[in-house]
Amino acid sequence: NAGVTQTPKFQVLKTGQSMTLQCAQDMNHEYMSWYRQDPGMGLRLIHYSVGAGITDQGEVPNGYNVSRSTTEDFPLRLLSAAPSQTSVYFCASTRGDGNTIYFGEGSWLTVV
Amino acid sequence: DAKTTQPPSMDCAEGRAANLPCNHSTISGNEYVYWYRQIHSQGPQYIIHGLKNNETNEMASLIITEDRKSSTLILPHATLRDTAVYYCTLNRDDKIIFGKGTRLHILP
Repeated sequence: NAGVTQTPKFQVLKTGQSMTLQCAQDMNHEYMSWYRQDPGMGLRLIHYSVGAGITDQGEVPNGYNVSRSTTEDFPLRLLSAAPSQTSVYFCASTRGDGNTIYFGEGSWLTVV
Repeated sequence: DAKTTQPPSMDCAEGRAANLPCNHSTISGNEYVYWYRQIHSQGPQYIIHGLKNNETNEMASLIITEDRKSSTLILPHATLRDTAVYYCTLNRDDKIIFGKGTRLHILP
Protein backbone atom coordinates (compact mmCIF):
# COMPACT_ATOMS: atom_id res chain seq x y z
CA ASN A 1 0.00 0.00 0.00
CA ALA A 2 1.11 3.52 -0.76
CA GLY A 3 1.92 5.12 2.58
CA VAL A 4 -1.06 4.52 4.89
CA THR A 5 0.08 2.90 8.12
CA GLN A 6 -2.25 1.50 10.74
CA THR A 7 -1.39 0.27 14.23
CA PRO A 8 -1.98 -2.05 15.95
CA LYS A 9 -2.70 -4.83 13.46
CA PHE A 10 -4.40 -7.02 16.06
CA GLN A 11 -5.98 -6.12 19.38
CA VAL A 12 -8.18 -7.88 21.93
CA LEU A 13 -10.14 -5.68 24.32
CA LYS A 14 -12.43 -6.35 27.22
CA THR A 15 -15.89 -4.82 27.20
CA GLY A 16 -15.74 -1.30 28.57
CA GLN A 17 -12.07 -0.71 27.83
CA SER A 18 -10.97 2.19 25.68
CA MET A 19 -8.30 2.26 23.02
CA THR A 20 -7.04 4.22 20.04
CA LEU A 21 -6.35 2.90 16.56
CA GLN A 22 -3.60 4.90 14.95
CA CYS A 23 -3.47 5.92 11.29
CA ALA A 24 -0.74 7.88 9.56
CA GLN A 25 -0.13 8.78 5.92
CA ASP A 26 2.94 10.32 4.36
CA MET A 27 1.40 11.46 1.08
CA ASN A 28 0.22 14.87 2.29
CA HIS A 29 -3.38 13.88 1.58
CA GLU A 30 -6.11 16.20 2.77
CA TYR A 31 -8.84 13.58 3.04
CA MET A 32 -8.75 10.71 5.51
CA SER A 33 -11.41 8.22 6.55
CA TRP A 34 -12.07 5.30 8.84
CA TYR A 35 -14.14 2.30 7.76
CA ARG A 36 -15.20 -0.85 9.52
CA GLN A 37 -15.87 -4.17 7.86
CA ASP A 38 -17.80 -6.93 9.59
CA PRO A 39 -17.46 -10.53 8.40
CA GLY A 40 -18.92 -11.00 4.93
CA MET A 41 -19.98 -7.38 4.73
CA GLY A 42 -18.90 -4.31 2.81
CA LEU A 43 -17.07 -1.28 4.11
CA ARG A 44 -19.02 1.15 6.28
CA LEU A 45 -17.80 4.69 6.83
CA ILE A 46 -17.31 5.63 10.49
CA HIS A 47 -15.79 9.13 10.40
CA TYR A 48 -13.95 11.19 7.85
CA SER A 49 -11.87 14.35 7.66
CA VAL A 50 -11.38 16.83 4.84
CA GLY A 51 -8.36 18.48 6.44
CA ALA A 52 -6.57 19.23 9.69
CA GLY A 53 -9.00 20.41 12.32
CA ILE A 54 -12.08 19.23 10.41
CA THR A 55 -13.93 15.98 11.04
CA ASP A 56 -17.42 14.70 10.29
CA GLN A 57 -19.58 11.65 10.88
CA GLY A 58 -20.04 8.84 8.41
CA GLU A 59 -22.62 6.07 8.32
CA VAL A 60 -21.85 4.41 11.69
CA PRO A 61 -20.19 6.96 14.03
CA ASN A 62 -21.69 5.93 17.38
CA GLY A 63 -19.12 4.70 19.92
CA TYR A 64 -16.18 6.25 18.09
CA ASN A 65 -14.36 9.57 18.28
CA VAL A 66 -11.79 11.06 15.91
CA SER A 67 -9.55 14.08 15.77
CA ARG A 68 -7.30 15.55 13.08
CA SER A 69 -4.67 17.73 14.66
CA THR A 70 -2.20 17.22 11.81
CA THR A 71 -2.50 16.39 8.11
CA GLU A 72 -0.62 13.13 8.62
CA ASP A 73 -2.52 11.55 11.53
CA PHE A 74 -6.13 10.50 12.00
CA PRO A 75 -6.61 8.40 15.16
CA LEU A 76 -9.84 6.54 15.89
CA ARG A 77 -10.83 6.23 19.55
CA LEU A 78 -13.15 3.64 21.02
CA LEU A 79 -14.49 5.19 24.20
CA SER A 80 -16.01 2.12 25.86
CA ALA A 81 -15.56 -0.99 23.75
CA ALA A 82 -18.55 -3.24 23.11
CA PRO A 83 -18.69 -6.72 21.48
CA SER A 84 -20.59 -5.13 18.57
CA GLN A 85 -17.41 -3.23 17.73
CA THR A 86 -15.57 -6.44 16.92
CA SER A 87 -14.56 -5.83 13.33
CA VAL A 88 -11.75 -5.08 10.93
CA TYR A 89 -10.97 -1.39 10.71
CA PHE A 90 -9.47 0.27 7.65
CA CYS A 91 -8.01 3.73 7.44
CA ALA A 92 -7.90 5.44 4.06
CA SER A 93 -6.58 8.64 2.55
CA THR A 94 -6.92 10.51 -0.72
CA ARG A 95 -5.78 13.74 -2.28
CA GLY A 96 -9.40 14.49 -3.08
CA ASP A 97 -10.83 15.89 -6.32
CA GLY A 98 -11.76 12.41 -7.47
CA ASN A 99 -8.33 10.91 -6.87
CA THR A 100 -7.48 7.37 -5.86
CA ILE A 101 -8.13 6.23 -2.29
CA TYR A 102 -5.28 4.45 -0.57
CA PHE A 103 -6.06 2.01 2.22
CA GLY A 104 -4.08 0.74 5.16
CA GLU A 105 -3.63 -2.97 5.81
CA GLY A 106 -6.38 -3.09 8.41
CA SER A 107 -6.63 -3.49 12.19
CA TRP A 108 -8.36 -6.58 13.54
CA LEU A 109 -10.20 -5.76 16.76
CA THR A 110 -11.93 -8.29 19.01
CA VAL A 111 -13.99 -7.16 22.00
CA VAL A 112 -14.75 -9.90 24.52
CA ASP B 1 -26.71 5.10 1.70
CA ALA B 2 -24.48 3.82 -1.03
CA LYS B 3 -24.94 5.62 -4.32
CA THR B 4 -24.10 2.53 -6.34
CA THR B 5 -25.83 -0.79 -6.87
CA GLN B 6 -24.03 -4.01 -7.76
CA PRO B 7 -25.08 -7.67 -7.95
CA PRO B 8 -24.01 -9.51 -4.79
CA SER B 9 -22.13 -12.24 -6.61
CA MET B 10 -21.04 -13.43 -10.05
CA ASP B 11 -19.29 -16.44 -11.52
CA CYS B 12 -16.83 -16.41 -14.40
CA ALA B 13 -14.89 -19.21 -16.04
CA GLU B 14 -11.13 -18.95 -15.90
CA GLY B 15 -9.72 -17.41 -19.07
CA ARG B 16 -12.99 -15.72 -19.98
CA ALA B 17 -13.80 -12.03 -19.68
CA ALA B 18 -15.49 -11.03 -16.43
CA ASN B 19 -18.01 -8.22 -16.86
CA LEU B 20 -19.07 -6.60 -13.59
CA PRO B 21 -21.96 -4.12 -13.78
CA CYS B 22 -22.64 -1.13 -11.56
CA ASN B 23 -25.63 1.21 -11.49
CA HIS B 24 -25.14 4.80 -10.36
CA SER B 25 -28.25 6.57 -11.57
CA THR B 26 -27.84 9.56 -9.22
CA ILE B 27 -24.28 10.36 -10.28
CA SER B 28 -23.51 14.07 -10.48
CA GLY B 29 -21.47 15.78 -13.14
CA ASN B 30 -18.19 15.98 -11.25
CA GLU B 31 -18.20 12.52 -9.71
CA TYR B 32 -15.75 9.95 -10.95
CA VAL B 33 -16.55 6.25 -11.13
CA TYR B 34 -13.92 4.25 -9.26
CA TRP B 35 -13.42 0.51 -8.99
CA TYR B 36 -11.57 -1.24 -6.18
CA ARG B 37 -11.17 -4.86 -5.26
CA GLN B 38 -10.58 -6.57 -1.96
CA ILE B 39 -8.85 -9.92 -1.79
CA HIS B 40 -9.53 -11.88 1.40
CA SER B 41 -9.35 -9.36 4.25
CA GLN B 42 -6.69 -7.11 2.78
CA GLY B 43 -7.25 -3.40 2.29
CA PRO B 44 -9.10 -2.59 -0.94
CA GLN B 45 -6.87 -1.91 -3.92
CA TYR B 46 -7.43 0.53 -6.75
CA ILE B 47 -8.24 -0.93 -10.18
CA ILE B 48 -9.36 1.84 -12.51
CA HIS B 49 -11.43 5.03 -12.65
CA GLY B 50 -13.16 7.23 -15.21
CA LEU B 51 -15.31 10.31 -15.60
CA LYS B 52 -16.98 10.13 -19.01
CA ASN B 53 -14.79 8.21 -21.42
CA ASN B 54 -13.99 4.55 -21.44
CA GLU B 55 -10.69 3.72 -19.83
CA THR B 56 -8.21 0.86 -20.05
CA ASN B 57 -5.12 -0.01 -18.06
CA GLU B 58 -3.02 -3.11 -17.52
CA MET B 59 -5.58 -4.60 -15.14
CA ALA B 60 -8.96 -3.85 -16.63
CA SER B 61 -11.24 -1.80 -18.85
CA LEU B 62 -14.01 0.51 -17.70
CA ILE B 63 -17.02 1.17 -19.87
CA ILE B 64 -19.24 4.10 -18.82
CA THR B 65 -22.59 4.60 -20.52
CA GLU B 66 -23.18 7.88 -22.32
CA ASP B 67 -25.67 9.06 -19.67
CA ARG B 68 -23.15 7.99 -16.98
CA LYS B 69 -25.84 6.19 -15.03
CA SER B 70 -24.09 2.83 -15.19
CA SER B 71 -20.70 1.31 -15.87
CA THR B 72 -19.07 -2.06 -16.43
CA LEU B 73 -15.70 -3.25 -15.25
CA ILE B 74 -14.13 -5.75 -17.62
CA LEU B 75 -11.37 -8.15 -16.61
CA PRO B 76 -10.36 -9.42 -20.06
CA HIS B 77 -8.90 -12.81 -19.12
CA ALA B 78 -9.96 -13.75 -15.62
CA THR B 79 -7.63 -15.90 -13.53
CA LEU B 80 -8.12 -17.57 -10.18
CA ARG B 81 -6.20 -14.68 -8.59
CA ASP B 82 -9.03 -12.35 -9.64
CA THR B 83 -11.33 -13.97 -7.08
CA ALA B 84 -12.25 -11.03 -4.86
CA VAL B 85 -14.97 -8.59 -3.87
CA TYR B 86 -15.21 -5.74 -6.38
CA TYR B 87 -16.49 -2.34 -5.28
CA CYS B 88 -17.81 0.40 -7.51
CA THR B 89 -17.82 3.84 -5.87
CA LEU B 90 -18.49 7.43 -6.82
CA ASN B 91 -15.54 9.54 -5.84
CA ARG B 92 -15.53 13.27 -5.66
CA ASP B 93 -14.00 13.92 -2.30
CA ASP B 94 -14.79 13.84 1.40
CA LYS B 95 -17.56 11.39 2.16
CA ILE B 96 -16.91 8.27 0.11
CA ILE B 97 -19.47 5.53 0.62
CA PHE B 98 -18.84 1.95 -0.43
CA GLY B 99 -21.68 -0.40 -1.27
CA LYS B 100 -21.59 -4.12 -0.57
CA GLY B 101 -19.73 -4.92 -3.77
CA THR B 102 -19.83 -7.97 -6.02
CA ARG B 103 -18.15 -11.18 -4.93
CA LEU B 104 -16.54 -12.58 -8.09
CA HIS B 105 -15.88 -16.31 -8.19
CA ILE B 106 -13.51 -17.52 -10.89
CA LEU B 107 -14.28 -21.11 -11.81
CA PRO B 108 -11.40 -23.36 -12.94
